Amino acid sequence: SQQGEEDPQALSIQEGENATMNCSYKTSINNLQWYRQNSGRGLVHLILIRSNEREKHSGRLRVTLDTSKKSSSLLITASRAADTASYFCATARSGNTGKLIFGQGTTLQVKP
Amino acid sequence: ETGVTQSPTHLIKTRGQQVTLRCSSQSGHNTVSWYQQALGQGPQFIFQYYREEENGRGNFPPRFSGLQFPNYSSELNVNALELDDSALYLCASSPEQGGLQKQYFGPGTRLTVT
Repeated sequence: SQQGEEDPQALSIQEGENATMNCSYKTSINNLQWYRQNSGRGLVHLILIRSNEREKHSGRLRVTLDTSKKSSSLLITASRAADTASYFCATARSGNTGKLIFGQGTTLQVKP
Repeated sequence: ETGVTQSPTHLIKTRGQQVTLRCSSQSGHNTVSWYQQALGQGPQFIFQYYREEENGRGNFPPRFSGLQFPNYSSELNVNALELDDSALYLCASSPEQGGLQKQYFGPGTRLTVT
């Protein structure tokens, strides 16, 4: 079963607007990661935030983590048509279980 | 693009048959994980191999098995294929065992079971 729940399931915005996606999870984690997937192909790692971090930036991406609420958000600023993809959060629990648990994803469409 | 490759790209099999999928990890990585992604869903963890040993397994039946070779490439074998096994199979490599760092994913193998 999936641990992460993502919200919204689908998002459609105009180029230049910001896109915010949310992820909730159920158990304690070591880190939370965000991945992008284009058209059913491989996943591309975007950003990793550890449980003792609250916010992280990478280019146009901003990720927040609230461990008390077991939630995270991904903000993409000044979106581009090339950002059109599915976005997944994935959690890694403490200990070497080897397992990333993915949410069901948010499908983002950026209209030119 | 990561340095992780998978073969074949697409595969069509009949129910009851067996299939082997292959993955070459990125140079310098000793850990390979396999995921199954059904249409419209997020990837689900099948298992991970670290230095040729299984290091964690998800909720998949024993007919899903794997191998990792001394060069750290890996195979996923599925016996007695069922229609529900139709999915995108992704492998991911990382420089260390566990899920505590980013994973580098290959492009996937699309398996269709008819």
